[in-house]
Amino acid sequence: GAGVSQSPRYKVAKRGQDVALRCDPISGHVSLFWYQQALGQGPEFLTYFQNEAQLDKSGLPSDRFFAERPEGSVSTLKIQRTQQEDSAVYLCASSLSGTSVNEQFFGPGTRLTVL
Amino acid sequence: GIQVEQSPPDLILQEGANSTLRCNFSDSVNNLQWFHQNPWGQLINLFYIPSGTKQNGRLSATTVATERYSLLYISSSQTTDSGVYFCAVVRRYSTLTFGKGTMLLVSP
Repeated sequence: GAGVSQSPRYKVAKRGQDVALRCDPISGHVSLFWYQQALGQGPEFLTYFQNEAQLDKSGLPSDRFFAERPEGSVSTLKIQRTQQEDSAVYLCASSLSGTSVNEQFFGPGTRLTVL
Repeated sequence: GIQVEQSPPDLILQEGANSTLRCNFSDSVNNLQWFHQNPWGQLINLFYIPSGTKQNGRLSATTVATERYSLLYISSSQTTDSGVYFCAVVRRYSTLTFGKGTMLLVSP
């Protein structure tokens, strides 16, 4: 596609529910990133894929967070047993290659509200 | 980890005014990007500028990598320039570290 797309754009979950957030990167982009943006803050890194390999998951806040990219394209971020502190905007980004010098392009984000 | 500081935190301008936003970072970087986050939350790429100077219309940016800072210039500001401006850097792998942003409000 022309840009990074994410779905759903908005998600309301009751505390304790599981949610799954989807990211479609720019076609052909090797690297895919997930970031979390709390209200009034800058985005913070969660996890990074190069093709289907998850090279860095150091930013995932707890073991309730899980991400996958099984075929090296679409990625899913799953949050189990959601808590109120998980409420945030989840942003996905992709870049052309796996080097550190490539420009990253962001999707519109998924706004998650946990009640 | 690397620290990214942006200033000023907030800025209010009259339409037509010029402004300079600053980004300081605490270590050498492989990549630096400026973004504009519009009121709908979309991060729009403004510049990819690990060093040097670039211009795009009314916007320009300069990064002095040896002194660990970058500047974003906005000239003849318009109300559509309102939003949050983020600086973000890459230190290791490809993960971006963002500053807290500068919130810009341009009034008519």
